[in-house]
Amino acid sequence: GENVEQHPSTLSVQEGDSAVIKCTYSDSASNYFPWYKQELGKRPQLIIDIRSNVGEKKDQRIAVTLNKTAKHFSLHITETQPEDSAVYFCAARRNTGGFKTIFGAGTRLFVKA
Amino acid sequence: GAVVSQHPSWVICKSGTSVKIECRSLDFQATTMFWYRQFPKQSLMLMATSNEGSKATYEQGVEKDKFLINHASLTLSTLTVTSAHPEDSSFYICSASSPGQGSAGANVLTFGAGSRLTVL
Repeated sequence: GENVEQHPSTLSVQEGDSAVIKCTYSDSASNYFPWYKQELGKRPQLIIDIRSNVGEKKDQRIAVTLNKTAKHFSLHITETQPEDSAVYFCAARRNTGGFKTIFGAGTRLFVKA
Repeated sequence: GAVVSQHPSWVICKSGTSVKIECRSLDFQATTMFWYRQFPKQSLMLMATSNEGSKATYEQGVEKDKFLINHASLTLSTLTVTSAHPEDSSFYICSASSPGQGSAGANVLTFGAGSRLTVL
């Protein structure tokens, strides 16, 4: 079945450093890859997404890269700030079969001031 | 932007009772909604896909008689946890696909605030 693996499970960085979270997916029919940020006690919020016909997308301090051949995609956060501390989930979705989205296990990011 | 409302935000019930959770899309129509379950410090586990006007599609391992889903309108899906037991205690979160707000017009999954269920 569909599966999304995410690493690392926990990531601690110093303020100002970069953070990278990596994911792999198993369903070759997946063609849409969103990233969600979930702060403690709150709902997941979409922070960036990418479609399979694009290799990279950037939005200010965050960027996502996609290697469709290898079924890898990554989130890059530069110049991290304490407010970036949260749990980040990668996900994969195919545009058929009900559009269901499968999530990775999550990465708990700590940004130390 | 798209808003998904979920109620109640938390509920405590006795073992053996049933609990209903509502999920509403406030400013868009959602033919499909999704129900997830999230354990503390864990990921979002897809339970089922709720389809307006038809039966829900359940993921493997999810008991459809235990978790009843009804999607009677384009803006409302409900999840009923029947005969709840302490092991059903969890954070249940719904989502709906809101059209055209993602990359290159992709539908974006918008989440409700979640419902924390505690079964005593």
